[in-house]
Amino acid sequence: DAKTTQPPSMDCAEGRAANLPCNHSTISGNEYVYWYRQIHSQGPQYIIHGLKNNETNEMASLIITEDRKSSTLILPHATLRDTAVYYCIVLKAAGNKLTFGGGTRVLVKP
Amino acid sequence: NAGVTQTPKFRILKIGQSMTLQCTQDMNHNYMYWYRQDPGMGLKLIYYSVGAGITDKGEVPNGYNVSRSTTEDFPLRLELAAPSQTSVYFCASRAVAGGLSYEQYFGPGTRLTVT
Repeated sequence: DAKTTQPPSMDCAEGRAANLPCNHSTISGNEYVYWYRQIHSQGPQYIIHGLKNNETNEMASLIITEDRKSSTLILPHATLRDTAVYYCIVLKAAGNKLTFGGGTRVLVKP
Repeated sequence: NAGVTQTPKFRILKIGQSMTLQCTQDMNHNYMYWYRQDPGMGLKLIYYSVGAGITDKGEVPNGYNVSRSTTEDFPLRLELAAPSQTSVYFCASRAVAGGLSYEQYFGPGTRLTVT
C-alpha cells in the first residue's frame, strides 16, 4: 500500500474550515484514500474515503487531485470536539491492513 | 448493533502472568484486527484475520497469540506478560466484499499495565 505524508500538527479557529493535506504520490489506480481520526484515548473513528471523485458526508469533504497524488480533508465548520489526530491512509479495496502513520494533530481553538 | 466491544476496559498484570483480551463484533464483518498503541504513539498492527479460521501476523506479533473460531469473536492472548506490553489495545472489524471496501470500526480499547 502507498505511503502517505501529513504535517505533524496544525491549529484551526473554531467555526472556521479546517483543511488537512495529505500527500500520497505513489498511490496506484486501485487504492482508496481513507481518513480516520482519533480523539484523545478513544478508538479511531472513520471519517470518509474516496477513490478519485470528491466525496462529502455529514462529517467532512474529501478533495482528491486529478492525478490522485494528494488529497485534502475539509472539516467545514470546526468545533472544539474536532480536536484530534487525523490519519490519512491509502488502501486497496480488498487490502488487509490499515497502516496508521503519524497523522496530523489538529487543535481547534476558541 | 453494539458494534465492536472489548473486555476488560482496564487490567493490571504482574510480569509473567497471562491473560486474554476479548473482542466481539455483531456486524458480521469478515475482517478483524488487533492494534496496540503506546503512549504518544500511533497504532501498530499485532494480528489480523480475514475470516473464521484464518489469522496472520501484523507488525508486532511477538508475545501474542490469536484465534478466530467464529465470525464474531477474535480474542488476543498474552503469554508471559512483560512491561513492554503495557499499552492500549484496540480491536477493530471491517467488511470486505465484492471488491468493495468499507470503513473499519474500532472498539473502545483495553488499557493494560504490566508491572
